[in-house]
Amino acid sequence: DQQVKQNSPSLSVQEGRISILNCDYTNSMFDYFLWYKKYPAEGPTFLISISSIKDKNEDGRFTVFLNKSAKHLSLHIVPSQPGDSAVYFCAASGMRFGAGTRLTVKP
Amino acid sequence: DAGVIQSPRHEVTEMGQEVTLRCKPISGHDYLFWYRQTMMRGLELLIYFNNNVPIDDSGMPEDRFSAKMPNASFSTLKIQPSEPRDSAVYFCASRLQGTEAFFGQGTRLTVV
Repeated sequence: DQQVKQNSPSLSVQEGRISILNCDYTNSMFDYFLWYKKYPAEGPTFLISISSIKDKNEDGRFTVFLNKSAKHLSLHIVPSQPGDSAVYFCAASGMRFGAGTRLTVKP
Repeated sequence: DAGVIQSPRHEVTEMGQEVTLRCKPISGHDYLFWYRQTMMRGLELLIYFNNNVPIDDSGMPEDRFSAKMPNASFSTLKIQPSEPRDSAVYFCASRLQGTEAFFGQGTRLTVV
């Protein structure tokens, strides 16, 4: 029973453009959400979070949007940089993770 | 703090053998999580502890898997007997209530 879903296994964007990573969830009881970034041979590292009482949270080039009615959140990276190339995981409170999206930013 | 420490980093074992993965959480953290990363399912939550007590082990795939947390600074994940399909990267993470989790570097397990 996957309560958090990332339906796009991969995404490729050009350097300087926007990257949009999407995540859907099924449990309306989740009260906060997190995004993690993972490089090969390393553990995931925390990137940004959002509480369910908000619909947007911004931290530098990273913005997370939450649409509670649609049970959907997205991570926007603007502008994308080659160093952003990694696997991005969406997680919900209770630390349930999605399957991840591999982002490749091309120079 | 050195962060979450997992050992070993790599483990190769033969089918049928017992495997024990170890984790030292960040000092003061009251939650500890064990995950398995696979291509198909991403980061799969196996079990988590709060104040050393197992809270949710519904993700443990079979009775061959067991986890313990004898004290606040140590946890183990044991697979007995191991099977080739258990091959994956296993992560341990810890956090304080309501904050983000910090992950270890993982243990890559290969069962041949």
